[in-house]
Amino acid sequence: DGGITQSPKYLFRKEGQNVTLSCEQNLNHDAMYWYRQDPGQGLRLIYYSQIVNDFQKGDIAEGYSVSREKKESFPLTVTSAQKNPTAFYLCASSVRTGGLNTEAFFGQGTRLTVV
Amino acid sequence: GNSVTQMEGPVTLSEEAFLTINCTYTATGYPSLFWYVQYPGEGLQLLLKATKADDKGSNKGFEATYRKETTSFHLEKGSVQVSDSAVYFCALNLSASKIIFGSGTRLSIRP
Repeated sequence: DGGITQSPKYLFRKEGQNVTLSCEQNLNHDAMYWYRQDPGQGLRLIYYSQIVNDFQKGDIAEGYSVSREKKESFPLTVTSAQKNPTAFYLCASSVRTGGLNTEAFFGQGTRLTVV
Repeated sequence: GNSVTQMEGPVTLSEEAFLTINCTYTATGYPSLFWYVQYPGEGLQLLLKATKADDKGSNKGFEATYRKETTSFHLEKGSVQVSDSAVYFCALNLSASKIIFGSGTRLSIRP
């Protein structure tokens, strides 16, 4: 079955550590996204990528980094510079048609907790 | 700039009640519009979409009509069920850059 796989589902990080969240898709989608969701809040865009080897900052990129070396993979690193990283992280992808992105497909999310 | 505004929750209804969740948007062009649903602890799932003015998206008894004159895309369902309890997000996609989401509306249905 095609879809988006995020791993791990739960992740615990100590203060000062970097952690990397995995996102893989087998939908052959061009665009991929990372969103952060805090309790009772909407989605805030961290980074997005339209093509391999290219990505742009979203609204809250500080303290995060990404790479897009392969079309199917878009890992997110939460660095020690991110002061409040405890949140639910969602990865998504979409296909581009005629220069316009279609609807996004989401993974099941990774819940990151700083301990 | 481009934005999405949806009614604040939580919204609490009794089973079989009529549901409306309001969504309005601001966009410089002609966006595609979406409603997503999120169940506890999960990612978002596409509920329905509309890509041009006067289109009606529908799925699982939910409907929304793309109203260009009022820049709205309100979500409706004639008779809600307990299983509809979730958070609902309105979203728009205007260009090949990013999808913009509203803040979400939590819906709770009482048996």
